[in-house]
Amino acid sequence: GEDVEQSLFLSVREGDSSVINCTYTDSSSTYLYWYKQEPGAGLQLLTYIFSNMDMKQDQRLTVLLNKKDKHLSLRIADTQTGDSAIYFCAESRSRDDKIIFGKGTRLHILP
Amino acid sequence: GAVVSQHPSWVICKSGTSVKIECRSLDFQATTMFWYRQFPKQSLMLMATSNEGSKATYEQGVEKDKFLINHASLTLSTLTVTSAHPEDSSFYICSARDRITGMGTEAFFGQGTRLTVV
Repeated sequence: GEDVEQSLFLSVREGDSSVINCTYTDSSSTYLYWYKQEPGAGLQLLTYIFSNMDMKQDQRLTVLLNKKDKHLSLRIADTQTGDSAIYFCAESRSRDDKIIFGKGTRLHILP
Repeated sequence: GAVVSQHPSWVICKSGTSVKIECRSLDFQATTMFWYRQFPKQSLMLMATSNEGSKATYEQGVEKDKFLINHASLTLSTLTVTSAHPEDSSFYICSARDRITGMGTEAFFGQGTRLTVV
């Protein structure tokens, strides 16, 4: 079956790094995504990684994938107040397939 | 980037009435659109996959007669909540993939529709 799990809350001090973790069960997952949702808004794709990659870096964002353990993480360097949002881990089997989401991790920034 | 427009952004309706939500891809063709439902502080639950020119594929547990989906063109899909009840109150979000130009790795999301049934 398809299941994506992630912790529900994370508090981080401004300027520190945030690490959001996610596990998935579908061994056929090919694309793994991180989406950001701000209050009352839709979803914004932050980044994605193919299952044949171990790491992807994009400015302050670093995605690490451990395919053997089906573990995905998102690291946000130098966390800012504007990073406060809900972050969803998601996966799909192909570029055209439906996307399955985790429950989302609410990132809270401490001053 | 590609834009998906959802309308209305919020709607309040009386119990027993029907509500239609529109999802439009503004600058690309979307042969497939997805409809999600999000409960407060919970994840997005996929309701159905809307295919242009054919019947929608519903996820297990989603009543197809209650949530009518029509995808009549490459840029428009509609979700109609029929005979709405308070338990249908939720945040509905659509998503579309740009399959024509090959950007299928990204699914673009609408801004969502908050439905409140009173």
